[in-house]
Amino acid sequence: GQNIDQPTEMTATEGAIVQINCTYQTSGFNGLFWYQQHAGEAPTFLSYNVLDGLEEKGRFSSFLSRSKGYSYLLLKELQMKDSASYLCAVLDSNYQLIWGAGTKLIIKP
Amino acid sequence: DTGVSQDPRHKITKRGQNVTFRCDPISEHNRLYWYRQTLGQGPEFLTYFQNEAQLEKSRLLSDRFSAERPKGSFSTLEIQRTEQGDSAMYLCASSPGTGDTGELFFGEGSRLTVL
Repeated sequence: GQNIDQPTEMTATEGAIVQINCTYQTSGFNGLFWYQQHAGEAPTFLSYNVLDGLEEKGRFSSFLSRSKGYSYLLLKELQMKDSASYLCAVLDSNYQLIWGAGTKLIIKP
Repeated sequence: DTGVSQDPRHKITKRGQNVTFRCDPISEHNRLYWYRQTLGQGPEFLTYFQNEAQLEKSRLLSDRFSAERPKGSFSTLEIQRTEQGDSAMYLCASSPGTGDTGELFFGEGSRLTVL
């Protein structure tokens, strides 16, 4: 079966750095996405990785290792508004998105 | 066009009633998706359209659920004889469908509560 694992919840301090991990087992791979979702709102796109390595975009970076079936999202200089759920999703061989359950990130002052 | 819009944003209904949700995707997007999401879970795929053609439907979707996209623009999702287990957020998303990475653009969702 297809499976995406990420921690259920993480807590970090304002101004700090946090890394949210995602491991996946899917039938085929055509890219990995990270989405941010604030409570009661729709997911919004953060990043897309299809090749191994690190993609940096401002305070957010995303890393992919296809051989390990592993990705992480790195958030720097955390702000209170970063409190949200972070969803990892993989595009499988049929170009369908397989979603993880999300990691709820709590930022404390 | 400012994005994907969904209507209504909230719907409360009694068990056994029918409900219909509407989604207007970004105008130049060919693909339209419906997802269902419950608290603490990721979106669960329901169905998707390429233009007006419904190309895939989740096996989890009972025949109480039906979706249409008659002219390849807006789409409707109807749930007949609602059950309490249907209570969830129903998300619509669209994507260009050609030459894109697969990034989805989501609407704000329609929250359904079945009493």
